[in-house]
Amino acid sequence: GAGVSQSPRYKVAKRGQDVALRCDPISGHVSLFWYQQALGQGPEFLTYFQNEAQLDKSGLPSDRFFAERPEGSVSTLKIQRTQQEDSAVYLCASSSRTGTGGTEAFFGQGTRLTVV
Amino acid sequence: AQSVTQLGSHVSVSEGALVLLRCNYSSSVPPYLFWYVQYPNQGLQLLLKYTSAATLVKGINGFEAEFKKSETSFHLTKPSAHMSDAAEYFCAVSEGRAEKLTFGTGTRLTIIP
Repeated sequence: GAGVSQSPRYKVAKRGQDVALRCDPISGHVSLFWYQQALGQGPEFLTYFQNEAQLDKSGLPSDRFFAERPEGSVSTLKIQRTQQEDSAVYLCASSSRTGTGGTEAFFGQGTRLTVV
Repeated sequence: AQSVTQLGSHVSVSEGALVLLRCNYSSSVPPYLFWYVQYPNQGLQLLLKYTSAATLVKGINGFEAEFKKSETSFHLTKPSAHMSDAAEYFCAVSEGRAEKLTFGTGTRLTIIP
């Protein structure tokens, strides 16, 4: 596709419900990132994939958060037993290079998750 | 550890006036620095980036930023504001080969007609 695509754009979940957020990166992009953006804040790093390998998951806030990219393209961020503090916009980004530094990341429009 | 501080969560300027958005960084190694813009309900779009070449970086939409190592700053400027510049602006840093970005808290730019 022309850009990074995320679905759904909006998700309302009841507290305790599991959710799955999807990211379709730009075709051929090796690197894929997930960020969490709370209201009025800057995005915060969650996790990073190089192809199908999850190389950095240091930003995942708890073991309720899980991400995968099994075939090195589409990625899914799963949140189990959602809590109100999980309410945020979840941004996915991809880039064409890896390990060189300073590479431009292309962002999707995000999924706005509201936990009620 | 790397970090970014953006001074001023809200900035208002008149249309046609100079835009100055401030960013200071902290990094243990030579940094890569970025400015991203976010329009309502949109993802982030790269305005410009510094990758250790020229210290004055020109970006899209007439924006530019200057890397000043002695001041650990990377302020964003535009000589003449346009109504379409109203948005949220984020400064970000990455270090070395690590591609993950650390963002500031953002500056909301309002343009006064």
